[in-house]
Amino acid sequence: AQKITQTQPGMFVQEKEAVTLDCTYDTSDPSYGLFWYKQPSSGEMIFLIYQGSYDQQNATEGRYSLNFQKARKSANLVISASQLGDSAMYFCAMRASGGSYIPTFGRGTSLIVHP
Amino acid sequence: GAVVSQHPSWVICKSGTSVKIECRSLDFQATTMFWYRQFPKQSLMLMATSNEGSKATYEQGVEKDKFLINHASLTLSTLTVTSAHPEDSSFYICSASGTSGIGEQYFGPGTRLTVT
Repeated sequence: AQKITQTQPGMFVQEKEAVTLDCTYDTSDPSYGLFWYKQPSSGEMIFLIYQGSYDQQNATEGRYSLNFQKARKSANLVISASQLGDSAMYFCAMRASGGSYIPTFGRGTSLIVHP
Repeated sequence: GAVVSQHPSWVICKSGTSVKIECRSLDFQATTMFWYRQFPKQSLMLMATSNEGSKATYEQGVEKDKFLINHASLTLSTLTVTSAHPEDSSFYICSASGTSGIGEQYFGPGTRLTVT
């Protein structure tokens, strides 16, 4: 079975500072993908970044980077130079071959960016 | 690219009536779509996996006769909430897998259903 754990229900960050959102995962599959999604107050989920289990380098997409530590089974999202528009819920998710690639989501972290 | 639309964005219906929600992939073909339900301040709860041309696969605990899913084409999946009751009031979201091969999902904007 696949499991995603996000232990931070809420995070606060000052505008222009960096913030790390934690995500740990559990799977016995050697092949899996890890994803981060953003959900603003409007409700629409937005795909941010992907990390494959065989990727040697950490993924980056603009101000988003994924700190992938495979041995620790963690896939933390780092947002650099936070902006007010980054205030949202953030969900970590996984798809693995053993789970028939059915997506598994964490409980989410609410990020609030202060001016 | 990879835009998913969902209609309606919100709906209010009376108890006992049925409501149909449409999910369309606008610029790509989606062989697989997912339907989720989300309660306030909670994560997404997967209801079912919708595969084009075949029956949907429902998650444990989801009533397939109440939540009818049809995936008639590569760009359209529908969720019909039959004989809706107030406890069915929720935010329903659909998603489609992207075509890049990595398994990312593109989500519709969601439908807020209120049953009175």
